[in-house]
Amino acid sequence: AQTVTQSQPEMSVQEAETVTLSCTYDTSESDYYLFWYKQPPSRQMILVIRQEAYKQQNATENRFSVNFQKAAKSFSLKISDSQLGDAAMYFCALSGNTPLVFGKGTRLSVIA
Amino acid sequence: DAMVIQNPRYQVTQFGKPVTLSCSQTLNHNVMYWYQQKSSQAPKLLFHYYDKDFNNEADTPDNFQSRRPNTSFCFLDIRSPGLGDAAMYLCATSWTRHNEQFFGPGTRLTVL
Repeated sequence: AQTVTQSQPEMSVQEAETVTLSCTYDTSESDYYLFWYKQPPSRQMILVIRQEAYKQQNATENRFSVNFQKAAKSFSLKISDSQLGDAAMYFCALSGNTPLVFGKGTRLSVIA
Repeated sequence: DAMVIQNPRYQVTQFGKPVTLSCSQTLNHNVMYWYQQKSSQAPKLLFHYYDKDFNNEADTPDNFQSRRPNTSFCFLDIRSPGLGDAAMYLCATSWTRHNEQFFGPGTRLTVL
């Protein structure tokens, strides 16, 4: 069975600072994908970033980057230059031969 | 723009009165998913269709049914809603089970 663990239920960051959200996972599959999704309050779930397990290079999307440590089964999200609009629930997710498995989420607050 | 559309956005029903939620997509994706999401929790997968192939999660109550009459549309039927079924229902699509999922805005169901 695949599992995803987010150990930080809540995090906060000052505007313009950097924050890192943690995620660990477990899977027996060799071919899998990892994702970070963002869900603002009362708004749509959107994809932030995606990482293919076979790629060694860490994915980057503008201010968002990941630290993918395959051997440690760790997949953390770094948000640089945090903005008020980054305040949301962030879900780490894993897919292999089965549909997405989500972590329980981390609620990120951004302080002006 | 290609997208996932859910109707209605808000649905109020009475205890035990059947209700149908609708999802449509313009992405032409093969896979469509239905999730139940309760406040501050991760989405819980109810079932998914890979093309016409229906896949039910083991813990999805029999009270929940789904139909996919064509590639574009998928419906969630709740035969006898209980108070515990009040939640946000999310529809999502993807090319394959491996790929990232695109989410609709959700339907918030209230059961009186």
